Amino acid sequence: DVKVTQSSRYLVKRTGEKVFLECVQDMDHENMFWYRQDPGLGLRLIYFSYDVKMKEKGDIPEGYSVSREKKERFSLILESASTNQTSMYLCASSDKGQRIDTDTQYFGPGTRLTVL
Amino acid sequence: GQQVMQIPQYQHVQEGEDFTTYCNSSTTLSNIQWYKQRPGGHPVFLIQLVKSGEVKKQKRLTFQFGEAKKNSSLHITATQTTDVGTYFCAWAGSYQLTFGKGTKLSVIP
Repeated sequence: DVKVTQSSRYLVKRTGEKVFLECVQDMDHENMFWYRQDPGLGLRLIYFSYDVKMKEKGDIPEGYSVSREKKERFSLILESASTNQTSMYLCASSDKGQRIDTDTQYFGPGTRLTVL
Repeated sequence: GQQVMQIPQYQHVQEGEDFTTYCNSSTTLSNIQWYKQRPGGHPVFLIQLVKSGEVKKQKRLTFQFGEAKKNSSLHITATQTTDVGTYFCAWAGSYQLTFGKGTKLSVIP
């Protein structure tokens, strides 16, 4: 079974702090994604990566950056956390098929981040 | 950009009743995927539809892709309390999946 793990289930940080969210997958998947999930807004894509050291902006990249130094690990960074970044953050991975968009995505358990 | 609506946003049903959620697009979709998220859980892939008019079944769940590939539906027959959760459709964009806002299903025992 594909396993996607995230470093924390719950995290509380203060405004202005630098926050790192880590995601690791064990299935040698090429593609990795970071989403945030908010009530009434569904899942929104922040960043994704289709290869080591490659990254692409999603729909809402402002205030975030990412790092993919190794194939299995994709990190989301909040350079200076703000209260409007309080949310559930979900990481996902998928294998590289003919098209990145047709591949099943496997999600981690999520990190619920609260910024005070 | 591509406009896809998922309706309804919420649905409360009595156990044993049927349930349907719909995704409707203004443009043709290359494929559509469906995910389920249990309360407190994460989205889990259910199925992918790629062909015009395609119908797939998983036990009590029936998935359909419209003839014009502009709409899709998920129908649950005789809901059970284990069906509780949020159901998302997701469609292919430019090198990414875009998720609908989901339909939250509550089942009253």
